Amino acid sequence: EVQLVQSGVEVKKPGGSLKISCKGSGYSFSSYWIAWVRQMPGKGLEWMGIIYPGDSDTRYSPSLQGQVTISVDKSISTAYLQWSSLKASDTAMYFCARSAAGYRDAYDMWGQGTMVAVSS
Amino acid sequence: SFVVTQPPSVSVALGKTATIACEGNNIGTKSVHWYRQKPGQAPELVIWHDNRRPSGIPERFSGSNSGNTATLTIGRVEAGDEADYCCQVWDTTNDQPVFGGGSKLTV
Repeated sequence: EVQLVQSGVEVKKPGGSLKISCKGSGYSFSSYWIAWVRQMPGKGLEWMGIIYPGDSDTRYSPSLQGQVTISVDKSISTAYLQWSSLKASDTAMYFCARSAAGYRDAYDMWGQGTMVAVSS
Repeated sequence: SFVVTQPPSVSVALGKTATIACEGNNIGTKSVHWYRQKPGQAPELVIWHDNRRPSGIPERFSGSNSGNTATLTIGRVEAGDEADYCCQVWDTTNDQPVFGGGSKLTV
């Protein structure tokens, strides 16, 4: 089965670090861009950035650059989203999604989402 | 940056046709994708490149795009079609995708 499976719920304190994951299976993971999309509570979708597992080429949303790090380990078909210092405003659902064909295409497959709650 | 606007809510009677608009300056020159998101679930692609249906999406779902408005049309609406529907286009100025705010479809 072709799917993206994300890591589970995270509850963290402000200032803490975090790395969440997105594991692909059932397809050639290295050949498709993987994006990260944020959805804050009760809000719409917000693109954070994207990575190409084949060569780790990474692009970030200008509004979020420097606040998160996107990485990949193609040997285990897994992409990551990482924070070094969490803020309460990072509380959101985070989705990974596969770009259908190329960097600028639609997202044809999504992970189930990882809920991140940041609170003191 | 490119801005797309959707109505917050759309209501439709069971069995009728729902239309959801996505407005943006000359959006007809861009490729528009539509996602459905049910409560507590991940988004799902229902229309891509204006009017193409992914495998598994019923023919009741169709899309169009012209001028300043892209439209998602759902025919013979079923109770199970209740969801948030969101459009997405590529912002060439910032070289990143932009999502509409989403429209909640109530049947």
